[in-house]
Amino acid sequence: NAGVTQTPKFQVLKTGQSMTLQCAQDMNHEYMSWYRQDPGMGLRLIHYSVGAGITDQGEVPNGYNVSRSTTEDFPLRLLSAAPSQTSVYFCASSYSIQGANEQFFGPGTRLTVL
Amino acid sequence: SQQGEEDPQALSIQEGENATMNCSYKTSINNLQWYRQNSGRGLVHLILIRSNEREKHSGRLRVTLDTSKKSSSLLITASRAADTASYFCATEAGGTSYGKLTFGQGTILTVHP
Repeated sequence: NAGVTQTPKFQVLKTGQSMTLQCAQDMNHEYMSWYRQDPGMGLRLIHYSVGAGITDQGEVPNGYNVSRSTTEDFPLRLLSAAPSQTSVYFCASSYSIQGANEQFFGPGTRLTVL
Repeated sequence: SQQGEEDPQALSIQEGENATMNCSYKTSINNLQWYRQNSGRGLVHLILIRSNEREKHSGRLRVTLDTSKKSSSLLITASRAADTASYFCATEAGGTSYGKLTFGQGTILTVHP
């Protein structure tokens, strides 16, 4: 199993550009999440999904869109990039074990918005 | 806002010593988890403790949970240079927050050979 994969690993955007960060998992996990990690801030939840066709907002959803058309894929779209979105983005997947979810993380995408 | 507050923010020890990190949280939880992040990498799950458990062990890791104080601690015994990493606690609230984790800001652990 490849686990959770993310592309690209690095990206530089100009303010106002849009792009999609890709995330895929091959573990048949029902839950998937997107986080951003900023220095000294830990990880903050952007959006998450409890299954194909079902998504919900996390703590910092503004400026981002998600969709989940398949169990495997959970892309994150930046609609109009802003310098405040410079961050490292992590995708994670999980499944419930007796009511608890241990998350498996991808390697991250380092995004710089100029 | 962050659910978890961790202390210390940074911890520097010698190989062979024990390392203790603490995490406090604000709301009721279903479980609390600890993750490790090596520099420039994704997070790796270490251990999960449920709200009805008080202590759990996994190899050199010992986790305690005190729900009355809304706090947890992670003890790494006989530390090694390879334990150098950032450690994060994360809480899962359950209910309508099922499947969502809220992370603390992390403790940076440096183990000197």
